[in-house]
Amino acid sequence: GAVVSQHPSWVICKSGTSVKIECRSLDFQATTMFWYRQFPKQSLMLMATSNEGSKATYEQGVEKDKFLINHASLTLSTLTVTSAHPEDSSFYICSARLGGSGGPGEQFFGPGTRLTVL
Amino acid sequence: AQSVAQPEDQVNVAEGNPLTVKCTYSVSGNPYLFWYVQYPNRGLQFLLKYITGDNLVKGSYGFEAEFNKSQTSFHLKKPSALVSDSALYFCAVRAPGNNRLAFGKGNQVVVIP
Repeated sequence: GAVVSQHPSWVICKSGTSVKIECRSLDFQATTMFWYRQFPKQSLMLMATSNEGSKATYEQGVEKDKFLINHASLTLSTLTVTSAHPEDSSFYICSARLGGSGGPGEQFFGPGTRLTVL
Repeated sequence: AQSVAQPEDQVNVAEGNPLTVKCTYSVSGNPYLFWYVQYPNRGLQFLLKYITGDNLVKGSYGFEAEFNKSQTSFHLKKPSALVSDSALYFCAVRAPGNNRLAFGKGNQVVVIP
């Protein structure tokens, strides 16, 4: 199956600093990538849909100025958590979908990034 | 609107016994249905999907799922569970033309040796 990577796999930072997480589709091109947040023993919460070459679409309640998303190429999307605070500590997962928007292609997920803000 | 219900929090099964993880969905039109598995501190791994055609779908690691339109269900099954199948399982649905996947809350499967 298609492979999606994330970097870093874990990061610890001080409150007030910014952290960038990279998501790459390694063997396919993805016009659409997704960013999720997962709390312990809970389901995935969609934060935003990242579209190559255009602005991301954020879900209701997600601060776009805090969670900056850039999808500069067909294989790379980045999520920057700006001025991180302890409540931003979470497991962040990206995914990329095969095929066009709205089609039946499955999403492939990255391994996740564990963010801990001290 | 699209949604998924996974009614059980945890499924316990003895190794070698059949495993079933339940999923029902709500969506307008014909659904695209997916099952994913997640191991601790890892992303989700794709198991199988139903788009159209045969209601019984076979996937990775010996898993299969049966699409039942009248019951709006897409239960995941494995004839003989392994200890290594212990993980968190997510059912997801997407309506054609919709960009977003709707996930269930997840089911923790525990296979007892």
